[in-house]
Amino acid sequence: ETGVTQTPRHLVMGMTNKKSLKCEQHLGHNAMYWYKQSAKKPLELMFVYSLEERVENNSVPSRFSPECPNSSHLFLHLHTLQPEDSALYLCASSLVGDNSPLHFGNGTRLTVT
Amino acid sequence: AQTVTQSQPEMSVQEAETVTLSCTYDTSESDYYLFWYKQPPSRQMILVIRQEAYKQQNATENRFSVNFQKAAKSFSLKISDSQLGDAAMYFCAYRSAGYLTFGTGTRLTIIP
Repeated sequence: ETGVTQTPRHLVMGMTNKKSLKCEQHLGHNAMYWYKQSAKKPLELMFVYSLEERVENNSVPSRFSPECPNSSHLFLHLHTLQPEDSALYLCASSLVGDNSPLHFGNGTRLTVT
Repeated sequence: AQTVTQSQPEMSVQEAETVTLSCTYDTSESDYYLFWYKQPPSRQMILVIRQEAYKQQNATENRFSVNFQKAAKSFSLKISDSQLGDAAMYFCAYRSAGYLTFGTGTRLTIIP
């Protein structure tokens, strides 16, 4: 049990599909994050939710749409993606505060065909 | 903007030996936190060790220790008595104002 669970583990989708990534945390945290991990690049922060409010949107294209219905759940809705969006998408959670480390899920490996 | 640099894309070490992974960062902040994360093939990022910038004492966690040089903005990770299970990607990360910035990672191979 990792404490942060992501589903699905793998996803293959066409450019015209709509899909959603799901993240759930059981750690009592109040901040949640989406990161994108591509080969040979630093992890890119996409979205941050703190106390269920979005506090960061790092110039992410609108084809990615986050949703945080409560402090335990986070979604990333995907629509009309491009092949360059293929990557590992990591969800993380933490308590609010810089001294609180992030806890990560196992990620969703997304392939856009 | 803060940046984190890991200059060693790959490292290898003989089992039971010691290895040091390098990390430098750039910031104008005085109060921040530094972390090392490990990412094995299972893909989950696992926290290895953390350091508060206001503490001069280097953090230690069992076989893992850091050499934190605040003036030089350097934060290296030393792994002692390397084990096969230590093989993974290691990421250095900086956190301030709520945001965590990662380096590009170092792939560590353990030679039996």
